[in-house]
Amino acid sequence: DGGITQSPKYLFRKEGQNVTLSCEQNLNHDAMYWYRQDPGQGLRLIYYSQIVNDFQKGDIAEGYSVSREKKESFPLTVTSAQKNPTAFYLCASSMGSGGRTDTQYFGPGTRLTVL
Amino acid sequence: AQKITQTQPGMFVQEKEAVTLDCTYDTSDQSYGLFWYKQPSSGEMIFLIYQGSYDEQNATEGRYSLNFQKARKSANLVISASQLGDSAMYFCAMREFHTGFQKLVFGTGTRLLVSP
Repeated sequence: DGGITQSPKYLFRKEGQNVTLSCEQNLNHDAMYWYRQDPGQGLRLIYYSQIVNDFQKGDIAEGYSVSREKKESFPLTVTSAQKNPTAFYLCASSMGSGGRTDTQYFGPGTRLTVL
Repeated sequence: AQKITQTQPGMFVQEKEAVTLDCTYDTSDQSYGLFWYKQPSSGEMIFLIYQGSYDEQNATEGRYSLNFQKARKSANLVISASQLGDSAMYFCAMREFHTGFQKLVFGTGTRLLVSP
């Protein structure tokens, strides 16, 4: 079955630690995205990547970093510089064709809690 | 700047009835797309339906239809014959095409509760 996997489902971090969230897709999609969701809010874009070895900052990139070394993988690192990292993180992918109907499909999410 | 407004924080509907979830948007672009996603308690965002700004007919996908009123800048989701499994958060999102990038802007969502 094709889809997007995220791990871990739950993650606990001590203040001052960096953590990396995994996102893998086997949909052969070119574009991948990371979003953050806080209670009572919609999703906000952290980073996106349209092709391998290239990525761009989204609206709230401060305190986060990403890499895109393989087409199927787009890990997100939450650094100690992120002041309020407790949130639900969603990874998405799309064909990235630029077509009007290009749709983003989401993974199951990772819930990060800072202790 | 793009903006999506969902004014209903919560909606209640009885099983088998229809329900309309409101979404209004603001854009200066003529070419854009509107999406609806469902987020059950498990957290995953599930794509439901898409409407392009130049589409002449309202989009439909099974029990989901989109009431698109371009002049009013509204794109309301209609769920017919509600089922208990429809209880979830619903998000409206918009993408402008001129940027060449698939950035989605999301509303704050509406929580739908379907009762037996």
